[in-house]
Amino acid sequence: AQKVTQAQTEISVVEKEDVTLDCVYETRDTTYYLFWYKQPPSGELVFLIRRNSFDEQNEISGRYSWNFQKSTSSFNFTITASQVVDSAVYFCALTKGGSEKLVFGKGTKLTVNP
Amino acid sequence: DSGVTQTPKHLITATGQRVTLRCSPRSGDLSVYWYQQSLDQGLQFLIQYYNGEERAKGNILERFSAQQFPDLHSELNLSSLELGDSALYFCASSVGGRTYEQYFGPGTRLTVT
Repeated sequence: AQKVTQAQTEISVVEKEDVTLDCVYETRDTTYYLFWYKQPPSGELVFLIRRNSFDEQNEISGRYSWNFQKSTSSFNFTITASQVVDSAVYFCALTKGGSEKLVFGKGTKLTVNP
Repeated sequence: DSGVTQTPKHLITATGQRVTLRCSPRSGDLSVYWYQQSLDQGLQFLIQYYNGEERAKGNILERFSAQQFPDLHSELNLSSLELGDSALYFCASSVGGRTYEQYFGPGTRLTVT
């Protein structure tokens, strides 16, 4: 069975601090895909990134970066120089290659204070 | 704006009633997914349709059903509603066929009183 664990329930930082959101996954599949979604207070789910199991390159997009390590089954998300607008719940998700059901973690609520 | 639309935005109804939630996928997307987000269960996959056919089923109750129409919009029907069905219901769409990113609609918040 697939499982995603986001051990940090809530994180609070001050603006301009760097923050890392942890995601640990479990799967027996050799092909799988990992995702991060953002849920701001308005409620919608915003797609941030998709990574497949064969691509362990880290990715950077502006202030966002992702570190994928198969050896530790982790797909961590770092926000550099956080801003108040980054305040949201962030979800890590996993899907089996060829199957498209997303298995979500419980989410990490990030609060960035001015 | 993801391009996925959901109506209504909010729905308040009584126990025992039946409601229909509607979703229109992004233009060109063939797959539609329904998810339920509740405080105790988190985000749970309910069901997926691909080009009109049911493709995968998750933790969907027998009181719930869905369909995807020829124009690719989808409806989720919830019947004999219970207090515990109160949740945020999301529809998502993707190109489909293989694993592509899913784009989510704004959700329908259902409150059962």
